[in-house]
Amino acid sequence: NAGVTQTPKFQVLKTGQSMTLQCAQDMNHEYMSWYRQDPGMGLRLIHYSVGAGITDQGEVPNGYNVSRSTTEDFPLRLLSAAPSQTSVYFCASSSWTSGEYYEQYFGPGTRLTVT
Amino acid sequence: GEDVEQSLFLSVREGDSSVINCTYTDSSSTYLYWYKQEPGAGLQLLTYIFSNMDMKQDQRLTVLLNKKDKHLSLRIADTQTGDSAIYFCAESSTGGYNKLIFGAGTRLAVHP
Repeated sequence: NAGVTQTPKFQVLKTGQSMTLQCAQDMNHEYMSWYRQDPGMGLRLIHYSVGAGITDQGEVPNGYNVSRSTTEDFPLRLLSAAPSQTSVYFCASSSWTSGEYYEQYFGPGTRLTVT
Repeated sequence: GEDVEQSLFLSVREGDSSVINCTYTDSSSTYLYWYKQEPGAGLQLLTYIFSNMDMKQDQRLTVLLNKKDKHLSLRIADTQTGDSAIYFCAESSTGGYNKLIFGAGTRLAVHP
């Protein structure tokens, strides 16, 4: 199992450009989510999905779109990049574990800089 | 809204115990987690505790939960240089999908 994979690892965008961060998991997890990590602020939830075709907003959804057409993939789209979106982005997937708790598995992250 | 707070930095000598503290505000928190992030990597689950427990031990890790004070701690016994990382406290409440609220993370530095 590759677990959760993210591409690209690094990206520099100019203000106003759009791009898609890719996320894929091969664990057949129903739940997937996107977080951003900013210095001194921990991780904040952007969007999440409880299954193919179902998505919902998290804490900081503005400026981002998601879709979930398959169980495996959960891309994050930046519609018009702004410097405030400079951050490290983590994708995670999770599943109910042994009837006890959810364990979230994180990808290695994408470091995005918007100039 | 919900909030999770942690001290930002902790420095310990190799072989000593480390104690990382966390406070949370959501009284409906059901699950509390500790995640570890090594440089350039994603987060990895270290351990978890249910809100109906006071303590959980897992090898060198001891988690203590004080529900009255909404205080969670992670003790690492015999701290090693490989334990140097950022440790995140996270909480979630019941009700469907397990959305996590993270603290800002505590950077643990282990020196000889």
